[in-house]
Amino acid sequence: ETAVFQTPNYHVTQVGNEVSFNCKQTLGHDTMYWYKQDSKKLLKIMFSYNNKQLIVNETVPRRFSPQSSDKAHLNLRIKSVEPEDSAVYLCASRRHSNSDYTFGSGTRLLVI
Amino acid sequence: GQQVQQSPASLVLQEGENAELQCNFSTSLNSMQWFYQRPGGSLVSLFYNPSGTKQSGRLTSTTVIKERRSSLHISSSQTTDSGTYLCAMERYAQGLTFGLGTRVSVFP
Repeated sequence: ETAVFQTPNYHVTQVGNEVSFNCKQTLGHDTMYWYKQDSKKLLKIMFSYNNKQLIVNETVPRRFSPQSSDKAHLNLRIKSVEPEDSAVYLCASRRHSNSDYTFGSGTRLLVI
Repeated sequence: GQQVQQSPASLVLQEGENAELQCNFSTSLNSMQWFYQRPGGSLVSLFYNPSGTKQSGRLTSTTVIKERRSSLHISSSQTTDSGTYLCAMERYAQGLTFGLGTRVSVFP
């Protein structure tokens, strides 16, 4: 099966902890992304990454960092979570800049 | 302000009715995409539609890039069409900017 796979589906953690979410795509796409969907259901881009360039949305706090071992994987690390980080994090990929996006099923984070 | 405006915010339909969802963009754009978001949160791509009209089953998308608008038409709605429909735009391959969505509820 070719798709975008995210783990875990759901994660609960305490303020100050470090968390890491995994994303893998088996579509052979060149670029991967992380999006955040907040409590108001608005989706916003956090990072885009291919093997040449990392683009960071300037509004993303520094405690967030993407980690990639190859073009099929893009993980998201949060160094010290805060309550406002509670959200759904969606990973996506695309083949090139003129093609459509494919999204994973999301990781729901709850910070208590 | 919101760069992608979707209307209506919500829509209630009786099964079999048609519906038209609108998306307007406040800036110029290179491409746009329609998504369906399941209640569990996953996004399903419906159309990648930089311009013109595309159809898939009971769904039709029409985008007029120079007028900065797109529409999604649902014909003969079914209860399984219930969910949130999101449109998103892109400029210069900088990632998608999403609207807040239209929540559609279809009742038998």
